[in-house]
Amino acid sequence: KAGVTQTPRYLIKTRGQQVTLSCSPISGHRSVSWYQQTPGQGLQFLFEYFSETQRNKGNFPGRFSGRQFSNSRSEMNVSTLELGDSALYLCASSLVVGGLNTEAFFGQGTRLTVV
Amino acid sequence: ELKVEQNPLFLSMQEGKNYTIYCNYSTTSDRLYWYRQDPGKSLESLFVLLSNGAVKQEGRLMASLDTKARLSTLHITAAVHDLSATYFCAVDISAGGTSYGKLTFGQGTILTVHP
Repeated sequence: KAGVTQTPRYLIKTRGQQVTLSCSPISGHRSVSWYQQTPGQGLQFLFEYFSETQRNKGNFPGRFSGRQFSNSRSEMNVSTLELGDSALYLCASSLVVGGLNTEAFFGQGTRLTVV
Repeated sequence: ELKVEQNPLFLSMQEGKNYTIYCNYSTTSDRLYWYRQDPGKSLESLFVLLSNGAVKQEGRLMASLDTKARLSTLHITAAVHDLSATYFCAVDISAGGTSYGKLTFGQGTILTVHP
């Protein structure tokens, strides 16, 4: 069974640019969550999508956005990149049972470097 | 707001020794997860704890959950070098009807096992 796939694995962007990251969940998983990991702030929740709807959002500026497609694949977009956006971006997929998420499985992550 | 605190944050152990990592959280929850992360890699799921008194064991690692004390422990028995990694606990409070798909992570415990 294929795991969670994130593309690309590495990205280097310039300040002010925008970037789109992609996440394909495990087959059958309809929930996708996104996290940002930095040495200073640790792992922080960005947002979660289920059945193409954003159900939850973390405390990030509006420059961070996402969407989910009908096949459950998800993208996140960061506009007007800042140096502080350099991080490992992880997505996780899970089943939803009775409205609640089960165990989250993480992808390999996208390492974003903003220069 | 949910707070999740791990201690210690750094743990240097000799092979063959035992030790425990603690995870305290501030809001009622009976859904807690332990993950392992190797340098530059993603998060690997170790344990899923879904009820008070839950105990799970895998090899040299054993995790437990006390929801009344809002405490989970990860016990390491007879450590070996291969266990060197960063360990995270993560709490899910979505059963309260909010925070869907959101895991709140502890800071992580960097474990180094020396010969």
